[in-house]
Amino acid sequence: QVHLQESGPGLVKPSETLSLTCTVSSGSIHHYYWSWIRQPPGKGLEWIGYIFYSGVTNYNTSLKSRVTISVDTSKNQFSLKLSSVTAADTAIYYCARASGSNWYSSFDYWGQGTLVAVSS
Amino acid sequence: QSALTQPASVSGSPGQSITISCTGTSSDLGSHNLVSWYQQYPGKVPKLIIFEDIERPSGVSNRFSGSRSGNTASLTISGLQSEDEAQYYCCSYERITTYWVFGGGTKLTV
Repeated sequence: QVHLQESGPGLVKPSETLSLTCTVSSGSIHHYYWSWIRQPPGKGLEWIGYIFYSGVTNYNTSLKSRVTISVDTSKNQFSLKLSSVTAADTAIYYCARASGSNWYSSFDYWGQGTLVAVSS
Repeated sequence: QSALTQPASVSGSPGQSITISCTGTSSDLGSHNLVSWYQQYPGKVPKLIIFEDIERPSGVSNRFSGSRSGNTASLTISGLQSEDEAQYYCCSYERITTYWVFGGGTKLTV
């Protein structure tokens, strides 16, 4: 049973950079797509971006200019950096694994989520 | 890509069947896209219930089924139970660009 755990500050000041790490345990980070997904309080899910274990990435076009996702396969971790945050970035941030039968198309394992508030 | 369109809410009585639609454009729900569905209870983590349009993960009740027609995907829940009351999200994966987009979510009331 793969386990994902987000870690990082729960409070970030406006204009600063949000940084989170997802640690993958009981499974390898190799051969899957790893994503960050967020959910503002009371609202829907938004895909932020993904990274393949090789380092290939793709990002939501609405966030692309501010997002960087990286991977450290030696630690079985991947990370999110979101720069120039505003109150609109306040959300629960989830890390998730993309898998499937024929395509890595759906998120089968999720972290418990971490609430990040943007406030001075 | 814009969010997929789902009804804000649907309701049904125990034992009935309901269908939740998920509508997009040809770029969101075209031939290169695969749809998954997630169930989320308040304060809980989303759970995968349908992947690759019609497949059910191991352990998910066969009361849940997925389908596609044109630019619309659908989730059908048969034999409604009170425990099905939750928020449901569709999600489209674009195979060529490796890009995901979620629907706005549908609140199911039983």
